[in-house]
Amino acid sequence: KAGVTQTPRYLIKTRGQQVTLSCSPISGHRSVSWYQQTPGQGLQFLFEYFSETQRNKGNFPGRFSGRQFSNSRSEMNVSTLELGDSALYLCASSLAGGNGYTFGSGTRLTVV
Amino acid sequence: KQEVTQIPAALSVPEGENLVLNCSFTDSAIYNLQWFRQDPGKGLTSLLLIQSSQREQTSGRLNASLDKSSGRSTLYIAASQPGDSATYLCAVRMDSSYKLIFGSGTRLLVRP
Repeated sequence: KAGVTQTPRYLIKTRGQQVTLSCSPISGHRSVSWYQQTPGQGLQFLFEYFSETQRNKGNFPGRFSGRQFSNSRSEMNVSTLELGDSALYLCASSLAGGNGYTFGSGTRLTVV
Repeated sequence: KQEVTQIPAALSVPEGENLVLNCSFTDSAIYNLQWFRQDPGKGLTSLLLIQSSQREQTSGRLNASLDKSSGRSTLYIAASQPGDSATYLCAVRMDSSYKLIFGSGTRLLVRP
């Protein structure tokens, strides 16, 4: 079966712009989580959605937002990009959240 | 606040050696613990998931143990191969949350 699909794989944006990343979970999975990975901070949790509802949110500024659609696909948006937002953004899906996560290949965002 | 630590940060071994990677956590109220592997620039590949009620899980040459009371987990890799070279991450999910809290990883190099 298909895994977790993240698009695009690579993205280059300019400071001040906004960006939208997409994640399609494994079929039947209703929980989608987002993580940011940087060399300095490691993997940090952004938010988790289940059945279109945000259940958990990490300690990121309000510029980071997300949503989940009725088909469980999820998007995250970062507005007013800063250089420090350059990172690998990873999406993970789970049947109901928490009983084992499957990760996508990530979106590498570079802010210049 | 849960903290997850992985020691050592880096490990280099000759092919064929058996090795142990360590993961410790400060709060024992975990729901489960998951070990992942990450190749450079890639997403995370799930290796093993241990529920809080379990003591160990095995998959092929990998064995993960969990001692919840002492806040420790180990990942044992038997007969290591150059293809095992990667960064290994452990992550815990708490009883009260759907997010994963990651350690900073152990970078493993298996020399031919």
